[in-house]
Amino acid sequence: GNSVTQMEGPVTLSEEAFLTINCTYTATGYPSLFWYVQYPGEGLQLLLKATKADDKGSNKGFEATYRKETTSFHLEKGSVQVSDSAVYFCALRWYGGSQGNLIFGKGTKLSVKP
Amino acid sequence: GAVVSQHPSRVICKSGTSVKIECRSLDFQATTMFWYRQFPKQSLMLMATSNEGSKATYEQGVEKDKFLINHASLTLSTLTVTSAHPEDSSFYICSARDRDGTGNTIYFGEGSWLTVV
Repeated sequence: GNSVTQMEGPVTLSEEAFLTINCTYTATGYPSLFWYVQYPGEGLQLLLKATKADDKGSNKGFEATYRKETTSFHLEKGSVQVSDSAVYFCALRWYGGSQGNLIFGKGTKLSVKP
Repeated sequence: GAVVSQHPSRVICKSGTSVKIECRSLDFQATTMFWYRQFPKQSLMLMATSNEGSKATYEQGVEKDKFLINHASLTLSTLTVTSAHPEDSSFYICSARDRDGTGNTIYFGEGSWLTVV
């Protein structure tokens, strides 16, 4: 079936460090891929998305490229800030079903130290 | 931007009682809402999909008589955990699809922590 696997956390980085959170997926057809972020005490927010192979989603300095050949959608940021501390979820939406619901990874908690 | 409000954010209830969680779309109409549950260190797992005015569609393994979902209007869906037990303690989160958009935008509530004692 369809699934998302993302790297286990927690991830602890110093401010201005480079961030990579790995995400790979298994899906039939051509899913859309998403990264969601959950800041402490808040709901999930869409961070970025890509709807087809080789698309690059970007937002707030974060980037992820939809790689169909490696079935990956790794999240990267060149220089993290303390305010980036949050839980990050990789997700896919598969349109084979009638509702096209989201399938999530387990989430990766990021802590950025000053 | 579009907002989904979920209430209560935290609730503690006694074993055997029922608790209701509300999910409201504040500035858009949502024909479809989704209810997820997250166990510690696990993924968000879809429990059910609710469509306004019709019965919810439950995922395999989710007891529909225990987790009652009502989507009576285009802006409100409720999840009622009936006869709650400690193993029902979890983080529940709803999401709603914007009807007037492309249908591809989904907004999440803040989530509700349920503790059954």
